[in-house]
Amino acid sequence: AQSVTQLDSQVPVFEEAPVELRCNYSSSVSVYLFWYVQYPNQGLQLLLKYLSGSTLVKGINGFEAEFNKSQTSFHLRKPSVHISDTAEYFCAVSEAAGNKLTFGGGTRVLVKP
Amino acid sequence: DTGVSQNPRHKITKRGQNVTFRCDPISEHNRLYWYRQTLGQGPEFLTYFQNEAQLEKSRLLSDRFSAERPKGSFSTLEIQRTEQGDSAMYLCASSPRQGVASPTEAFFGQGTRLTVV
Repeated sequence: AQSVTQLDSQVPVFEEAPVELRCNYSSSVSVYLFWYVQYPNQGLQLLLKYLSGSTLVKGINGFEAEFNKSQTSFHLRKPSVHISDTAEYFCAVSEAAGNKLTFGGGTRVLVKP
Repeated sequence: DTGVSQNPRHKITKRGQNVTFRCDPISEHNRLYWYRQTLGQGPEFLTYFQNEAQLEKSRLLSDRFSAERPKGSFSTLEIQRTEQGDSAMYLCASSPRQGVASPTEAFFGQGTRLTVV
């Protein structure tokens, strides 16, 4: 079985400051890793994904994440946040292409002016 | 294509009533997933279809829950004898067949928010 832990439930951050959202996973097999964003009363939108290859993955809206196999982590970063980045962010894993996703509990990011 | 469509967006029902939700996936996506998301939590997997075949069901899916995808296109999720604990956002997602670019990416609908009173 696989599991995902997002270490911070809430992250307040000032506009234009950097932000890092932490994600750790456990699995007995190789996994694919994802970050999704959810705006209020909306579905989930994919920010970025790691399937293989370079461990530094760039996504939409200036976000990037780094896969660290030895630490089983996939932390999400953005060097300078905007008010519009206020949302909930979910880390997820799947064990195979097109397979179900296992999500973490989410991190709520509140960007303050 | 406008993406994954879910109806209704909101549903309020009395305890004990039956409810049915519909999901229309992106056309030609052969995989369809249902997830449940309670307040303050991440989505939890319920069930998944490949074409019309239901290939996996979570233990979360009690026998009051049933999902169908009769022609491999849209899907319905029915909850019988609703309970207050069923109150949640029900999310549908679809993904393309293997071999197509980004087979691992699931595209989510906006969800159906169920409130059982």
